[in-house]
Amino acid sequence: GAVVSQHPSRVICKSGTSVKIECRSLDFQATTMFWYRQFPKQSLMLMATSNEGSKATYEQGVEKDKFLINHASLTLSTLTVTSAHPEDSSFYICSARDLQGGYYEQYFGPGTRLTVT
Amino acid sequence: GIQVEQSPPDLILQEGANSTLRCNFSDSVNNLQWFHQNPWGQLINLFYIPSGTKQNGRLSATTVATERYSLLYISSSQTTDSGVYFCAVERSISGNTPLVFGKGTRLSVIA
Repeated sequence: GAVVSQHPSRVICKSGTSVKIECRSLDFQATTMFWYRQFPKQSLMLMATSNEGSKATYEQGVEKDKFLINHASLTLSTLTVTSAHPEDSSFYICSARDLQGGYYEQYFGPGTRLTVT
Repeated sequence: GIQVEQSPPDLILQEGANSTLRCNFSDSVNNLQWFHQNPWGQLINLFYIPSGTKQNGRLSATTVATERYSLLYISSSQTTDSGVYFCAVERSISGNTPLVFGKGTRLSVIA
């Protein structure tokens, strides 16, 4: 299956700083990527849809000025958590779709665990 | 929007036992996927199955689209099967709309 990578896998930062998370599709091109957030023992919550070459679409309640998304190429999307606070601590997961035999199947990166102190 | 319900929420099995996980969805779908999230958080694709039946080793899945449910069967469970199993659906075939996830079934397989 297709491979999606994420970097870093784990990051600890101080309150007030910014953190950038990279998501790459390694063996396919992805015009659309998705960013999710997951709290402990909960399901995945969609944050935004990232479209190559255009602005991201954010879900209701997600602050677009706080969670900056850039999809500059067909294989790379980035999520920047600006002025991070402890409540932003979470597991962030990106995904991308690969066209397989006429249908789209979604693949996930390994996730980034963010801890804000 | 579309609702996805999974049952049971938690399941404990003895190694070697079989199990059935269920996913109900509230509207017709063009995409349904099953994932396994391992203890390290990685989501692993199990099946793309908007309809019909598929099998992969000890796992198999069946989706009855007209009745809006899907089943994931795990046979001869192993401790490595532990983790959370998610069902996710999408209404569009365009590929540009996100999957909607159920809350998952947390499976613990004990030796």
